Amino acid sequence: GAGVSQTPSNKVTEKGKYVELRCDPISGHTALYWYRQSLGQGPEFLIYFQGTGAADDSGLPNDRFFAVRPEGSVSTLKIQRTERGDSAVYLCASSRDGLGSTDTQYFGPGTRLTVL
Amino acid sequence: GDSVTQMEGPVTLSEEAFLTINCTYTATGYPSLFWYVQYPGEGLQLLLKATKADDKGSNKGFEATYRKETTSFHLEKGSVQVSDSAVYFCARNTGANSKLTFGKGITLSVRP
Repeated sequence: GAGVSQTPSNKVTEKGKYVELRCDPISGHTALYWYRQSLGQGPEFLIYFQGTGAADDSGLPNDRFFAVRPEGSVSTLKIQRTERGDSAVYLCASSRDGLGSTDTQYFGPGTRLTVL
Repeated sequence: GDSVTQMEGPVTLSEEAFLTINCTYTATGYPSLFWYVQYPGEGLQLLLKATKADDKGSNKGFEATYRKETTSFHLEKGSVQVSDSAVYFCARNTGANSKLTFGKGITLSVRP
């Protein structure tokens, strides 16, 4: 069975540009999460989807960040007017239903974003 | 708010040494607790978890016990191997929607 996949694995862009990062969760998982991991730190929560809707976007740092999951499967994280401080590894995770404290998240390999 | 604190690293051990990595969490709600591991060049993998007080999670010779009285979830292994060299993250969820709060992680290096 396939795990969580993310594309691209690496993305280099220039300051001010727009980027999209894609996440393909485990088939059948209704919950999907985005995290950001800066060098030497643990992952930090960005946004959580339950099906097609964003149930919790409290971790998005500002309005340059936006994420969608239109069909309840694949999700795209969109960053406008990128800044050097956005450079990090962006991780996606999925879980079966996200509704119980025993639910387990499975992580993708991440997209390493570098903003020059 | 929710937080997780891990001991400072890095940690370097000789093969077959005993390992303890400390982790404490804020006592809000009724979280599940997790240890994730990141091997060199790989993604985050769940190592073990515990969902309620006094539960013990175990996997690959690693163990951690959910201690509500000390708000701790320390990771232990009786005899480490070179292949255990990795970054270890302690985490808790919020209980409401399972979003995870991670500690900073600690790098373990095991020398032959």
